[in-house]
Amino acid sequence: EVQLVESGGGLVQPGGSLRLSCAASGFTFSSYAMHWVRQAPGKGLEYVSAISSNGGSTYYANSVKGRFTISRDKSKNTLYLQMGSLRSEDMAVYYCARAQGGTGTANEYWGQGTLVTVSS
Amino acid sequence: EIVLTQSPGTLSLSPGERATLSCRASQFFNSDYLAWYQQKPGQAPRLLIYGASTRATGIPDRFSGSGSGTDFTLTISRLEPEDFAVYYCQQYGYSAWTFGQGTMVEIK
Repeated sequence: EVQLVESGGGLVQPGGSLRLSCAASGFTFSSYAMHWVRQAPGKGLEYVSAISSNGGSTYYANSVKGRFTISRDKSKNTLYLQMGSLRSEDMAVYYCARAQGGTGTANEYWGQGTLVTVSS
Repeated sequence: EIVLTQSPGTLSLSPGERATLSCRASQFFNSDYLAWYQQKPGQAPRLLIYGASTRATGIPDRFSGSGSGTDFTLTISRLEPEDFAVYYCQQYGYSAWTFGQGTMVEIK
């Protein structure tokens, strides 16, 4: 059974940093592209970042480019999102999602999300 | 960036009725890269349709997708109580991913 479990969310001050993790199991982690998608309270879904199956290619929404870094560790079957210079508009539930295959495929499996709160 | 606009914002229907949801893109793109997701309160999204018309694993056949170019449609042939939720379209090609703003299907 495919499982994605996010962690690392919490309260952070504006300008601060946070690292999210997504522990993957039930599939060959290194064979699939992975994504981060967020959802602000009461709002719709927003793509944040994507990474290819081998980690060689990364992609970012313009809203987070230069502030967030996506990475993956094959030995730990874990996806990461390093977030810096956090703003109030970054406050959201952050979901990790596994693609059906490469980066040009839909998000087939989703974790339950981790909440990031940005407030002083 | 391709902008997706969904309509209507809210659809009020009764169980058993047919739901037709629209997703319009700001520019032409390959329908191979259009997906639909369902999201219920407090839950993660669930993939329903990919490639504009292919149902994901385990999705009932009352859900169908169609369209090409800039206009796409999700149809729920007969609404079941568990279908009342928010639906999002997404384009996932061209190394950029965008979602529509969502359509809420609510019980009338």
